[in-house]
Order: sequence, then C-alpha cells, then structure tokens
Amino acid sequence: AQSVSQHNHHVILSEAASLELGCNYSYGGTVNLFWYVQYPGQHLQLLLKYFSGDPLVKGIKGFEAEFIKSKFSFNLRKPSVQWSDTAEYFCAVNVRGTGRRALTFGSGTRLQVQP
Amino acid sequence: DGGITQSPKYLFRKEGQNVTLSCEQNLNHDAMYWYRQDPGQGLRLIYYSQIVNDFQKGDIAEGYSVSREKKESFPLTVTSAQKNPTAFYLCASSQGDGPTNEKLFFGSGTQLSVL
Repeated sequence: AQSVSQHNHHVILSEAASLELGCNYSYGGTVNLFWYVQYPGQHLQLLLKYFSGDPLVKGIKGFEAEFIKSKFSFNLRKPSVQWSDTAEYFCAVNVRGTGRRALTFGSGTRLQVQP
Repeated sequence: DGGITQSPKYLFRKEGQNVTLSCEQNLNHDAMYWYRQDPGQGLRLIYYSQIVNDFQKGDIAEGYSVSREKKESFPLTVTSAQKNPTAFYLCASSQGDGPTNEKLFFGSGTQLSVL
C-alpha cells in the first residue's frame, strides 16, 4: 500500500528563516503529489501540486516544492518564513492508474514561526 | 457560497450508540471522501465515493458505514463497533477525471467525543 512519510513532526523557526519540510512516499508508480496547509481555525487548503512537467512547482504564498523521482521525495521549501505561516502542513499522494482517486496523507508537520 | 458543510461541529457519543455525521456539498462534485484526523497521525481515509450509489472502503473502514444516495450528500455513521471513535472527522470532495482535477475541497470538520 502507498504511504507518505513526514519526518519533521514539529518545527520551530524564527521569522525570516528558511524552511524545508521533508516528504517521502513509498510507491514506485506514477504519482500525483500535493502539499496541503491547515492554518489555525481554518479549513485544509491546497498549497501546491505536482502532476507532470517541471519538477519544481510553485504554490501560493511563496512556497515551492521539488519532486525528486529518484529519491521518492517532494520537499516543501520557503526562503523566508513569516509569522503567518504558522500552521500544520500535510504532504499527500495518489497513484495514477489504480482507479483510486483518494489521497493518502502524511502525518503532518506542525510549523511554529516565532516573531 | 459554494462549499462543503459538515454538521454538527461537535458530537458526543455514548457507549454502544451509533452516530451519524452529515456532509453536504453544493460544488456539484462527483467524488466525496471521509477522513479521520488524529494528533500525530495525519489524515486517514475511511471511505470514499467516486459516483452516486457507489462507495469504497478506505484504509480504516472498520466500525464505519456510509451511503451515497444523492450527489450532494455523503453521511458517515460511526457504529458501536468502532472502539476508538474520538477524533476529528473531515469530509472532502473533488471533481472530474484526470489528474488536473484532483484538488480536494475540505469541510470544517466534526469533533466526535465519547462520553
């Protein structure tokens, strides 16, 4: 079964620090990859997604992620975080060609940005 | 406004009782999903439905049941067989075929607790 690993469970950064959150998936087929964010008191929302093409994808609010197929990774980055980036971040994957469109999520990373 | 409505926001279950969580969407989406969110475990898929009158078990379906009699509605019943029902339950929907449509829209969730 496909699985998603997020190794950083809780990250604390100061404003203006750079961010990289790790995400690895277990399936070797063709995958669609996503990062979702849950701000305090808000719905889960899509941050960015990768389906094909350029492995470096850009999302909202200055976030980007790089798909490295050889490493089964899709790490999320931001060069300079802000206090408003405090949230929980989830990596997710679904596998093409299986008939299952539902996403498999990682366990999440709680990011706390200190002013 | 288009979106997904989950009710109630908070729900309490007594031992041996079945409870039903409501999920309604007015986005005209074909697919709907139920996830369970536990601290440190991320989102785990309970059931999903890709079309009306059809649904499939997710990764943790035991102790849960669903129906999909209408496109806009996908209620989840937590049965007495679910021994650890305390969790935050999220409903989501998505539209269409093909990878470019695999964007999930989430509801605001229902917190279920056992009395």
